Amino acid sequence: GEDVEQSLFLSVREGDSSVINCTYTDSSSTYLYWYKQEPGAGLQLLTYIFSNMDMKQDQRLTVLLNKKDKHLSLRIADTQTGDSAIYFCAETYTGTASKLTFGTGTRLQVTL
Amino acid sequence: DTGVSQDPRHKITKRGQNVTFRCDPISEHNRLYWYRQTLGQGPEFLTYFQNEAQLEKSRLLSDRFSAERPKGSFSTLEIQRTEQGDSAMYLCATRSPVNTEAFFGQGTRLTVV
Repeated sequence: GEDVEQSLFLSVREGDSSVINCTYTDSSSTYLYWYKQEPGAGLQLLTYIFSNMDMKQDQRLTVLLNKKDKHLSLRIADTQTGDSAIYFCAETYTGTASKLTFGTGTRLQVTL
Repeated sequence: DTGVSQDPRHKITKRGQNVTFRCDPISEHNRLYWYRQTLGQGPEFLTYFQNEAQLEKSRLLSDRFSAERPKGSFSTLEIQRTEQGDSAMYLCATRSPVNTEAFFGQGTRLTVV
């Protein structure tokens, strides 16, 4: 079965880099995603990576995928107070109509 | 704004009442998903439509829940005889046939008192 795990909380200072980690169990994952959720709001897609890639960079965001260890990370460079939110990793895999399986979310707190 | 609309944004209802939520997808998106998110958790899959056909349902979708997408455009999710455990955020997401990205609406927050 599928299981996606994340640490619950991360606190960083404004201007520092944040690294949010995620582990998953299903080796047949095809795409892995990072979503951001602000209080009371829906989910905003930040970035995604295909499972045959190791890394993807998009402006301040860098996604690293270690398929052997089933480990995904999101690095946010120059973290700003507006980055404070809950970050979810999610996976899809073949044969499931591309439904998303989410982790429990990591709350990122950015301090001054 | 992702282009996916959900209505209402908030709903407070008494236990035992029926509620219905609506999702309007991005127009060219033929795939539509419902998820439920409880406090402190990630969203959990409830059901999936491709056009008007409901192709997959989670075990979370008890017989008190029903979802429809009659013309392959908007979808409704109805909960009958609501229970306090139904209190959650109900999220709709849609996807086009050629795109890997799912776009989420703002959600409907249900509170059962």
